[in-house]
Amino acid sequence: KNEVEQSPQNLTAQEGEFITINCSYSVGISALHWLQQHPGGGIVSLFMLSSGKKKHGRLIATINIQEKHSSLHITASHPRDSAVYICAVNGNEKLTFGTGTRLTIIP
Amino acid sequence: GAVVSQHPSWVICKSGTSVKIECRSLDFQATTMFWYRQFPKQSLMLMATSNEGSKATYEQGVEKDKFLINHASLTLSTLTVTSAHPEDSSFYICSAILNYGYTFGSGTRLTVV
Repeated sequence: KNEVEQSPQNLTAQEGEFITINCSYSVGISALHWLQQHPGGGIVSLFMLSSGKKKHGRLIATINIQEKHSSLHITASHPRDSAVYICAVNGNEKLTFGTGTRLTIIP
Repeated sequence: GAVVSQHPSWVICKSGTSVKIECRSLDFQATTMFWYRQFPKQSLMLMATSNEGSKATYEQGVEKDKFLINHASLTLSTLTVTSAHPEDSSFYICSAILNYGYTFGSGTRLTVV
């Protein structure tokens, strides 16, 4: 069993829909990261969370430490949000990555 | 702003040759850089952690003589894939810790023919 599990693996939605991507982990962590990887491969760090909730524009990330679960939400989704979203957890200064969720937003 | 610049973005090389990938921290000093490899449709896997002025720490199963890492200055870390083989074809990406988070290079897609 992977230490970091994401769901769904693939998600296709219409423009404007509310998107939720989930991440569960099985190890103790100091922080959880949400990353965005575009088709070219480059990775952008979206959030780093150790508790509660963070919001940046149309993106919201939450974490429940007791349940070892985090969610990434996208409101009013847009085709430019199409990318792979990766959850990664921080343990001992090393990141362990989920396999990613491939999001496609259709105009 | 502070970023990590990675070059080249893609490279094709012949089997048996060596390829060097560079990661430079711009506008900040990176005492530690991480090197990852990503196979298609798989998650990133940490290969090694490079520390400025000392030997890199390799993850289990990563051959240190094949993947040479040098972190000679606070702004430059390099990964050299030696005697490249087609199964080394992959996406390689570096990252550095910045302000308690991580910043990533843009990645290098290596194809060995």
